[in-house]
Amino acid sequence: TQLLEQSPQFLSIQEGENLTVYCNSSSVFSSLQWYRQEPGEGPVLLVTVVTGGEVKKLKRLTFQFGDARKDSSLHITAAQPGDTGLYLCASRYGQNFVFGPGTRLSVLP
Amino acid sequence: DAGITQSPRHKVTETGTPVTLRCHQTENHRYMYWYRQDPGHGLRLIHYSYGVKDTDKGEVSDGYSVSRSKTEDFLLTLESATSSQTSVYFCAIQPGTSDDTQYFGPGTRLTVL
Repeated sequence: TQLLEQSPQFLSIQEGENLTVYCNSSSVFSSLQWYRQEPGEGPVLLVTVVTGGEVKKLKRLTFQFGDARKDSSLHITAAQPGDTGLYLCASRYGQNFVFGPGTRLSVLP
Repeated sequence: DAGITQSPRHKVTETGTPVTLRCHQTENHRYMYWYRQDPGHGLRLIHYSYGVKDTDKGEVSDGYSVSRSKTEDFLLTLESATSSQTSVYFCAIQPGTSDDTQYFGPGTRLTVL
């Protein structure tokens, strides 16, 4: 059983479209991280959200942390082929870090 | 770039052989982690270290051991590799104690035949 669930598992869209991916848990987290991973590389941190209801923007990416700190979303506006990759959410759970299984995004030119 | 390297980057070995993977960092961070990544499972924590000779088990530690004799190096050993340990292994560092952010190395692809 995954502590962090992500949806959708796969997403293929055309360049210029908007999309939202989700990260959900039954547990409350003190903070949540979003990473992007490209083939053959390690995950790269995009953002950390800490406060319930928090919204952070990173150029065309908008991240939201749910009010109850049990869910988060990542919205991409006008997706570009360079956004292609595996998007992972992660959080600390006790002494461990846990990761969701990821959303694999493919943006077609 | 958090100055993390992993070696080797690729390795093919046979069942029953010992394997050691190395993670090296250049910035003297205390906290280091080893993960494995498998399709459908995301990243799963194997072992972690809070400093020299201070290590602990993660979620999937069976069949793995670690050592940290120097701040900059964190070694992961598979005492007797099995096919179920075929995976991509990532090392990560955590720069601060009040921040859950991690920075990852480039990974080691291990195949156990």
